[in-house]
Amino acid sequence: NAGVTQTPKFQVLKTGQSMTLQCAQDMNHNSMYWYRQDPGMGLRLIYYSASEGTTDKGEVPNGYNVSRLNKREFSLRLESAAPSQTSVYFCASSTADRVGAGELFFGEGSRLTVL
Amino acid sequence: SQQGEEDPQALSIQEGENATMNCSYKTSINNLQWYRQNSGRGLVHLILIRSNEREKHSGRLRVTLDTSKKSSSLLITASRAADTASYFCATDGRNYQLIWGAGTKLIIKP
Repeated sequence: NAGVTQTPKFQVLKTGQSMTLQCAQDMNHNSMYWYRQDPGMGLRLIYYSASEGTTDKGEVPNGYNVSRLNKREFSLRLESAAPSQTSVYFCASSTADRVGAGELFFGEGSRLTVL
Repeated sequence: SQQGEEDPQALSIQEGENATMNCSYKTSINNLQWYRQNSGRGLVHLILIRSNEREKHSGRLRVTLDTSKKSSSLLITASRAADTASYFCATDGRNYQLIWGAGTKLIIKP
């Protein structure tokens, strides 16, 4: 089982460039999430999708957009990257019908550096 | 803002010893979860404990929850080198979104 797959694993961008992080899960989960992890801090929720066709802002949505392409795929887009977006990004999915109510399954992370 | 706060921030023990880490939170919760993250990897779920539970076990892991003190503890017994990782607690107290602590970095010395 692949679980949650994120691409790319590493990316270096220049300020102002755009890029999309891809995420796919093969567990038939309804809810999917994008988090960022910065040194010394816990995970912060960027956006989530409780079910196919819906997306909602999390704690730190500014500078990001998302697309829930289908039940399997949830992408995160940086339209104009800034150095403050240098971080490790994690995609996760969950069996829980209610957002945040159940176990999360994580991808291996995408390490983004913005110069 | 962070709901969960782990304590200590870092813990170094000898292999075979027990490791205890704590999590405090600020608002009422429905459940609390613990995750492990090995260096450079994604997070892995360990245990979910509901607000009406006081203790839960999974193998060498024991989690307690004290809702009156708004705190939880994770005990790892008979630690192994493979337990070296960061451990995070997460609560769902606000809009059911998980809120994460900054983690406890555990190092097991051989």
